[in-house]
Amino acid sequence: KNEVEQSPQNLTAQEGEFITINCSYSVGISALHWLQQHPGGGIVSLFMLSSGKKKHGRLIATINIQEKHSSLHITASHPRDSAVYICAVTVGNLIFGKGTKLSVKP
Amino acid sequence: EPEVTQTPSHQVTQMGQEVILRCVPISNHLYFYWYRQILGQKVEFLVSFYNNEISEKSEIFDDQFSVERPDGSNFTLKIRSTKLEDSAMYFCASSGQGIVNQPQHFGDGTRLSIL
Repeated sequence: KNEVEQSPQNLTAQEGEFITINCSYSVGISALHWLQQHPGGGIVSLFMLSSGKKKHGRLIATINIQEKHSSLHITASHPRDSAVYICAVTVGNLIFGKGTKLSVKP
Repeated sequence: EPEVTQTPSHQVTQMGQEVILRCVPISNHLYFYWYRQILGQKVEFLVSFYNNEISEKSEIFDDQFSVERPDGSNFTLKIRSTKLEDSAMYFCASSGQGIVNQPQHFGDGTRLSIL
C-alpha cells in the first residue's frame, strides 16, 4: 500500500524566509503533484512532475525518483503563502498526503 | 482562465435523504474526478470518469454512490441514502488528458453536512 508522508505537519515562518516542505512515498509512481489548499477549502494545482525540477515564480518543486522524495520550496515567503500544501502521487489514481499547514507571519 | 465550478457550496441534508452534488468541468476536458475530504483528514479519491463510464473507483465508492454526466457540461455525484459519516467536503476535478499526463483542475468544493 502506498503511503505519502509529509513533513513538517505544521510550519510557522517569518515573512521573507525560505521554506521547504518535504514529501516521501513508498512505491513507484507515475507523477507527483503539489497542491495548495486555501483556508476556504479550495484546491489549486501548483506542480505536476515526474523528474527533476520545476519553477513557477517563487515556488520550486524537486523530485528524486530513486529516493522517492520530493520537496517544495518557497523563496521570499509572504503572508499570502499561508495555506495547506498537499503532496499527492499518481498510482492509478491520486493518493494524497495529510498536508503541511504553513503560516507566514508579517 | 477557465475553472471548474461546483454547486452548491454548502448542502445540509437529513440522514437518509438523497443528495446530488453538481460540477461543471472545464469545457474541453475529458477526464472527471470526485474526491472527498472529511474534516481534519486528508483528501481521498472516490471515482474517475472518462468516455461516459467509470474508469476507476475506490472502496469508499460503494453502492450508495453514483456518478453521471447527464449532458455535455454537468458531472454529478449522487449519494442515495446519506449517512452521518458522509459529512465532508466533496471536490470535483477535471483534466484534459489522463491523470499521468496533465494536472487536474479542482473546483472549490461542496461542503456536505448530514444531520
